[in-house]
Amino acid sequence: NAGVTQTPKFRILKIGQSMTLQCTQDMNHNYMYWYRQDPGMGLKLIYYSVGAGITDKGEVPNGYNVSRSTTEDFPLRLELAAPSQTSVYFCASTAGWVDEKLFFGSGTQLSVL
Amino acid sequence: AQSVTQPDIHITVSEGASLELRCNYSYGATPYLFWYVQSPGQGLQLLLKYFSGDTLVQGIKGFEAEFKRSQSSFNLRKPSVHWSDAAEYFCAVGARNTGNQFYFGTGTSLTVIP
Repeated sequence: NAGVTQTPKFRILKIGQSMTLQCTQDMNHNYMYWYRQDPGMGLKLIYYSVGAGITDKGEVPNGYNVSRSTTEDFPLRLELAAPSQTSVYFCASTAGWVDEKLFFGSGTQLSVL
Repeated sequence: AQSVTQPDIHITVSEGASLELRCNYSYGATPYLFWYVQSPGQGLQLLLKYFSGDTLVQGIKGFEAEFKRSQSSFNLRKPSVHWSDAAEYFCAVGARNTGNQFYFGTGTSLTVIP
């Protein structure tokens, strides 16, 4: 199994550009999450989904959008990139509820200049 | 509100020495607690988890953690550190009452001196 796959691994954006970070899992997990990781700040939850067609905001959703049309895919959209969105982004999934571990992708390093 | 505090930003230990990384949580119900490790340029990997039963839990790579409800703590320990343990360590709590969200601490960076 590939697990959780994120693309791209690195990206540089100009202010105001848009892009989509892709996330796919092949474990048939219902629960998927997007986190951003900033130095000294740990991981902050951006959006999460408990199943296809269902998404909800996390701690830091402003400037981002998500969709969940299939169980496998959970893309994260940045519409108008800002320097504050420079970060490392991680997608994660889990089979069950909060007693199950998270499977993480390898991350996307995004710079907005 | 749910929160996780890791008081130590950075810890340096000698190889072979013992290790304890601190974690305190704030959560109104029975917590689901986790320790994850992140190697440079990688995603996070689960070391161990606790949600019921024996308060001392064993994990991978020789790590263990003890849940102390009275102190709201879930400290990670290892009797003898190896150079390969150098990494970033994150404590996390799973919150059922907020729609299956996980909250992470700010992390502790571990340096191992040969």
